[in-house]
Amino acid sequence: DIQMTQSPSSLSASVGDRVTITCRASQTIGTYLHWYQQKPGKAPKVLVYTASSLQSGVPSRFSASGSGTDFTLTITTLQPEDFATYFCQQTYSTPLTFGGGTKVEIK
Amino acid sequence: QVHLVQSGAEMKKPGASVRVSCKASGYTFTDFYFHWVRQAPGQGLEWMGWINPKSGVTNYAQKFQGWVNMTRDTSISTAYLELRRLRSDDTAVYFCARGGTTSWSHVDYWGQGTLVTVSS
Repeated sequence: DIQMTQSPSSLSASVGDRVTITCRASQTIGTYLHWYQQKPGKAPKVLVYTASSLQSGVPSRFSASGSGTDFTLTITTLQPEDFATYFCQQTYSTPLTFGGGTKVEIK
Repeated sequence: QVHLVQSGAEMKKPGASVRVSCKASGYTFTDFYFHWVRQAPGQGLEWMGWINPKSGVTNYAQKFQGWVNMTRDTSISTAYLELRRLRSDDTAVYFCARGGTTSWSHVDYWGQGTLVTVSS
């Protein structure tokens, strides 16, 4: 199975900050890497697919990059609605696996 | 507009079975893969498997093989997840999610989640 390791597991930030979350795969996955945002009590929502493509309707302050084994999600100017948990997921091979999540909290 | 509406919360005893349904609307049901993902309380996301609604072919994570069954009824655009021999650590929110036209596509729509509680 491909292990997905996210870091950090949590972070505290202020509105307006720039935030970067990383996701590392235990083996190469090309660009079969997607990012989701989840708020408490809600289903996840896709932000980015295939490593760097922004899902329709997602604000441009979100961006992502990477290929192979190392990936990043960046929020350039953190907004109040961005406080949530972020997960990466690989769909290169089954079982499709998620990272452990990064909880972005208000400082 | 795509909607996935799941059945309501369930409370079951250990060893019982449960079936969760997910009704899709707003698109051609057979054109997109369906995934099931679960989330234990306070934990991360765990992929359980997918079903190709057109063919009925399934792919389960090895952990769930033998006690999970994913099916669909194309006449009513509904996917089902059956869990057998439930244990207390199966207590979780179970999400259905629409994948893409290929099994390696991302998920773009999610159901609201169904809480399954397993307790004696």
